[in-house]
Amino acid sequence: AQRVTQPEKLLSVFKGAPVELKCNYSYSGSPELFWYVQYSRQRLQLLLRHISRESIKGFTADLNKGETSFHLKKPFAQEEDSAMYYCALSNAGGTSYGKLTFGQGTILTVHP
Amino acid sequence: NAGVTQTPKFQVLKTGQSMTLQCAQDMNHEYMSWYRQDPGMGLRLIHYSVGAGITDQGEVPNGYNVSRSTTEDFPLRLLSAAPSQTSVYFCASSRDSISGNTIYFGEGSWLTVV
Repeated sequence: AQRVTQPEKLLSVFKGAPVELKCNYSYSGSPELFWYVQYSRQRLQLLLRHISRESIKGFTADLNKGETSFHLKKPFAQEEDSAMYYCALSNAGGTSYGKLTFGQGTILTVHP
Repeated sequence: NAGVTQTPKFQVLKTGQSMTLQCAQDMNHEYMSWYRQDPGMGLRLIHYSVGAGITDQGEVPNGYNVSRSTTEDFPLRLLSAAPSQTSVYFCASSRDSISGNTIYFGEGSWLTVV
């Protein structure tokens, strides 16, 4: 069975400090990993996915298959980064039927 | 472009009552799904549909019913509400069921069962 674990329920940093949100997964096949973000009173939205290897709003995430991790990083946190972050997994290739397995979520608070 | 629209946004039900959460998308997406969000548990898939007339169960389907008579709409029915169904419900859609397609979420429906 596939599983996504976000070990930190809450994470607090000060503005300008580096931030890393941890995500570990277990999956027998070839996974596709995502980070979703939910700002206060807004809908859940895609932040980035590992296949794109892109940087969005200064965030990056690298898939480490050896450590089965997909940690989200940003070198200098901003107050507007405060939100709930979810790591999610889907089957890569073929039809996944859009089914995502989500982690428990991490609430990031960036203090001024 | 409205995207994924859910109604109602807030609802309070008594135990045993039934109700329907509505979900509509205007992007001509084939794939639609329902998740529930609970503290400490993330989002869990309830039911999904890969096209009109086709539905299937997700991780936590018990107590819920769905149908997909049109491409646009995917209502979620609570047959006999229980306090354990107090949650935030999210409807989602994507172009099709192929991996890699962006999944779009609605704004959520807050349901309290007393």
